[in-house]
Amino acid sequence: EDKVVQSPLSLVVHEGDTVTLNCSYEVTNFRSLLWYKQEKKAPTFLFMLTSSGIEKKSGRLSSILDKKELFSILNITATQTGDSAVYLCAVDGAYSGGGADGLTFGKGTHLIIQP
Amino acid sequence: NAGVTQTPKFQVLKTGQSMTLQCAQDMNHNSMYWYRQDPGMGLRLIYYSASEGTTDKGEVPNGYNVSRLNKREFSLRLESAAPSQTSVYFCASTTGPVGKTQYFGPGTRLLVL
Repeated sequence: EDKVVQSPLSLVVHEGDTVTLNCSYEVTNFRSLLWYKQEKKAPTFLFMLTSSGIEKKSGRLSSILDKKELFSILNITATQTGDSAVYLCAVDGAYSGGGADGLTFGKGTHLIIQP
Repeated sequence: NAGVTQTPKFQVLKTGQSMTLQCAQDMNHNSMYWYRQDPGMGLRLIYYSASEGTTDKGEVPNGYNVSRLNKREFSLRLESAAPSQTSVYFCASTTGPVGKTQYFGPGTRLLVL
């Protein structure tokens, strides 16, 4: 069965700090790993990673994938209060979810940025 | 371009009642999904539809049925609601076949008493 584990489950930092969120996975026939940000409602897409070692960047956010060690990290530099959210990691494998098509999600990291 | 829309936004049911959650997307996506999100459990796949006319079970399909009415619309039905189905339900649709960048609807919050 495919598995995605995120750490830490919650994190409180001060504005301006840099944070690193972790995602490790076990999946059959890996296709891609995705990061989402979820504030009050629906998740919003951040990054999709398919290749090892290639950093994806968007403003203060960046992410990288290590397919050998089966993990990904999401970095946020110079954090702002607007970065407070739950960050979800999901993996797309050929047999995600016990045989079904779709993504397998981790439980998320709840990030709180204090002013 | 509204993306993925869901109705209703919030619903309260009594145990045993039935209801249908509606989802529509205007991005011409082939694949659509229904997830439920519960505290501490993350997102779990209920059903998905890889293309118009096909549906398949996900991780937690019991107690639910789905209909892919056309390419745009994918509905989720609870025939006899149970308190265990109290959750937030998200519909999603995806872009091309390689790498599933899923776009989510705003969610339906369901309370079953």
